Amino acid sequence: GENVEQHPSTLSVQEGDSAVIKCTYSDSASNYFPWYKQELGKRPQLIIDIRSNVGEKKDQRIAVTLNKTAKHFSLHITETQPEDSAVYFCAAKRQSWGKLQFGAGTQVVVTP
Amino acid sequence: DVKVTQSSRYLVKRTGEKVFLECVQDMDHENMFWYRQDPGLGLRLIYFSYDVKMKEKGDIPEGYSVSREKKERFSLILESASTNQTSMYLCASSLGQRFSVGANVLTFGAGSRLTVL
Repeated sequence: GENVEQHPSTLSVQEGDSAVIKCTYSDSASNYFPWYKQELGKRPQLIIDIRSNVGEKKDQRIAVTLNKTAKHFSLHITETQPEDSAVYFCAAKRQSWGKLQFGAGTQVVVTP
Repeated sequence: DVKVTQSSRYLVKRTGEKVFLECVQDMDHENMFWYRQDPGLGLRLIYFSYDVKMKEKGDIPEGYSVSREKKERFSLILESASTNQTSMYLCASSLGQRFSVGANVLTFGAGSRLTVL
């Protein structure tokens, strides 16, 4: 089955700096890679996703890059703000029927 | 907005008790899921269902069972609660494989924090 590893487990950044979270996956057939954000005390919510026919996707200050050959994908947050403080989860699955496999999560703390 | 509602936010049970966690979604989603969230372990899938009366084991099904008698409702059952089942339980739903746009996007409930003494 799919195995997703996520690094780092915690990340502290100064407000305005960039944050990068990296994930690797094991199943070469995986082709859907979402990222979820969970603020303290709240439910996880999708912030961005990418499919394997795309190498990069951007949405305002967040971007995701995918390297299918190396089987890794990354989340980039630019110009971080205090409201970016949260736990971020990466995940991977086959677009056809299959389970979404989550990484262990990254606690991001943005300090003013 | 899709709403996924979990009936209990906080529960305290004793070892050996039978525990029911209820989840209801109101947007006619095909798929429903139960996850367990523990610090450092991420979101681990317990069971999921892609249709009424259908269920599939996730990664950690031991000690749990599920029921989906109606499309909108997915229940997680702990037949005999144990202390190692103390955790946050998250229900989620998604549109389903028949749909191309947003088929895989999970909408989560607020979570049920279970403590087993």
